[in-house]
Amino acid sequence: QVQLVQSGDEMKKPGASVKVSCKASGYTFTGYYMHWVRQAPGQGLEWMGWINPNSGDTHYAQKFQGRVTMTRDTSISVVYVELSNLTSNDTAVYYCARPYSSGWSDSFDSWGQGTLLSVSS
Amino acid sequence: QSALTQPASVSGSPGQSITISCAGTHNDVGNYNLVSWYQHHPGKAPKLIIYEVTKRPSGVSNRFSGSKSGNTASLTISGLQAEDEADYHCCSYVGSRTFVVFGGGTKLTVL
Repeated sequence: QVQLVQSGDEMKKPGASVKVSCKASGYTFTGYYMHWVRQAPGQGLEWMGWINPNSGDTHYAQKFQGRVTMTRDTSISVVYVELSNLTSNDTAVYYCARPYSSGWSDSFDSWGQGTLLSVSS
Repeated sequence: QSALTQPASVSGSPGQSITISCAGTHNDVGNYNLVSWYQHHPGKAPKLIIYEVTKRPSGVSNRFSGSKSGNTASLTISGLQAEDEADYHCCSYVGSRTFVVFGGGTKLTVL
């Protein structure tokens, strides 16, 4: 079955960077895009961007451009999201999410367990 | 502030039906038949329960149904059960640049 396992919770200071990983198993890693979604405390979900694990192509939400980088390592079926210049507003649970279809899809049927990022001085 | 507007909370008794609304605009909900709904129990990963406005993934109970009228989408849960108590998030495609936007989430309480 499809599994997405994320790295552990993180605590960072303002101005620092964080890199969160998401290891995929149970399907062809390069066959599905991977998206990152976050949820700040008391807020709704927020889409951050996607990576095509096959080509490495990425597309980021305008809000995060210049501060976010998504990468992948096909040899170990892992995608990463790195967020730089952190502020307290980046405190959130970060999820990787796989689309429902290997073709184009706007909905996500497999999610990682979430990684809590806390940013505080 | 979220792009899509959902009520903060709804409640119902076991066996009853409830409906959660998701108000968008002609740029998102009104422009595409690409609304999805997620059930989210605290501390767990969100679960896709409706996609493309009305479709249910395999394994999702037929007590969950989706619809859309104009710029507003709706999720109806019939025959409420205690296990349905969770947060529910709507989501709409908005084009290739922004991709999707979510609602603020609705907390469902089963009385």
